[in-house]
Amino acid sequence: KQEVTQIPAALSVPEGENLVLNCSFTDSAIYNLQWFRQDPGKGLTSLLLIQSSQREQTSGRLNASLDKSSGRSTLYIAASQPGDSATYLCAGDSGAGSYQLTFGKGTKLSVIP
Amino acid sequence: DTAVSQTPKYLVTQMGNDKSIKCEQNLGHDTMYWYKQDSKKFLKIMFSYNNKELIINETVPNRFSPKSPDKAHLNLHINSLELGDSAVYFCASSQFRANYGYTFGSGTRLTVV
Repeated sequence: KQEVTQIPAALSVPEGENLVLNCSFTDSAIYNLQWFRQDPGKGLTSLLLIQSSQREQTSGRLNASLDKSSGRSTLYIAASQPGDSATYLCAGDSGAGSYQLTFGKGTKLSVIP
Repeated sequence: DTAVSQTPKYLVTQMGNDKSIKCEQNLGHDTMYWYKQDSKKFLKIMFSYNNKELIINETVPNRFSPKSPDKAHLNLHINSLELGDSAVYFCASSQFRANYGYTFGSGTRLTVV
């Protein structure tokens, strides 16, 4: 069964900094790894999906990588802005036969103007 | 064109009552899920349904009864509500064994008083 860990639990950075959020998982047979953003009191917004055959995905200032052999994914945010402040969640499944996405506990990001 | 829609968005009810949450997806996905986000913001799967068939039931009290009338709908009925049931419940959908990722609804905030 997949287990997902995110470090750090919280991060505070000044505006304009580049930053990296880390995610580790236990089952290397991961099929999909997905990064979400959750604003306070809101739902989950999918940011990036890395499929099993891919190693990274990019969207605007966001870049996510996946290293199945080491059980790690990173989310890189370039030139951070106050609007990036939110909780970022990493989630993965356990192979093509999995019927669930397992979440980490998230990293709460605060970007200080 | 909401992809995964849940109703109601907020639900406040007294202990002992029975309530239902409805979920619908218009993505043509064959798998739907219920997740619970507790007070510590951790997201954990409760149920998953594939083609109307229950696949995962994750140690959820039998007061919680999901029902999938068709592939596009997954409802959650909760009997005899308890204070500990207060949480945000998220519905999600995906296409099994496809690399499209999971899509989440905006959540239902349940408060039991």
